[in-house]
Amino acid sequence: GNSVTQMEGPVTLSEEAFLTINCTYTATGYPSLFWYVQYPGEGLQLLLKATKADDKGSNKGFEATYRKETTSFHLEKGSVQVSDSAVYFCALRDRGSQGNLIFGKGTKLSVKP
Amino acid sequence: NAGVTQTPKFQVLKTGQSMTLQCAQDMNHNSMYWYRQDPGMGLRLIYYSASEGTTDKGEVPNGYNVSRLNKREFSLRLESAAPSQTSVYFCASRATGNEKLFFGSGTQLSVL
Repeated sequence: GNSVTQMEGPVTLSEEAFLTINCTYTATGYPSLFWYVQYPGEGLQLLLKATKADDKGSNKGFEATYRKETTSFHLEKGSVQVSDSAVYFCALRDRGSQGNLIFGKGTKLSVKP
Repeated sequence: NAGVTQTPKFQVLKTGQSMTLQCAQDMNHNSMYWYRQDPGMGLRLIYYSASEGTTDKGEVPNGYNVSRLNKREFSLRLESAAPSQTSVYFCASRATGNEKLFFGSGTQLSVL
C-alpha cells in the first residue's frame, strides 16, 4: 500500500542554519507530493507541492524536488528563522485511489535564536 | 475569512459519554474530511465525504459516525467515548479538482 516515511524528530537548529527534512514514499502509481506545516495551536497549512517527477515545489524559502528514481521529496531551506519552528508533514495523494492524502508522522522543528 | 471552523476547541468526556464534533466550511468545497492526530502517528483519516450526501470510511473509522448535513457541514459523532479516542481532531475540506486541503484549527478531546 501507499505510505510516507519521514525522518524522526525533533530537529533543533540555530537561526540561519541549513534545514533538511527527509521524506521518502511508497506508491503504486504516480502520486502528487506535498509538504504541510503546522504551527503551534493551529491546523495544517499547505507549504508546497509537486505533481510530477523532477518538479520543484517552493514557498517561503522552502524547496522540495520530486525524485522518482529515489522516491523522495526532501524539504530544504537555506537559512531557517525562529518563526519556522513548527511540525512539518510530508504527504502523498495517489491519483488512482479516492485521492485521499496519506501523511507521514511529522517532524518537529525548533529553531533557536 | 472563516475557512474551516471547528467547534468545540476543547472537550473533556468521561468514558461512555457521547458527543458530536462540528465542522463547517464556507468555501463551497465538495469534499470534507475528519482526521485524528496522535503523537508519533501523524494524521490518520477517520471518515470523508466526497460530496453532499455521501460518506466513506477512512483508515480508522471504528467508534465513530459522521453526517454530511449539507454542503457546508460535516459532523463527527462519538457514540460511546473510550480513552483510546483521546486525540486532536481536525476537519478539512477540498475543492473538486484542487489538491490543496484546508484545515480547521482542531478539537482537543480527552476521554477519562
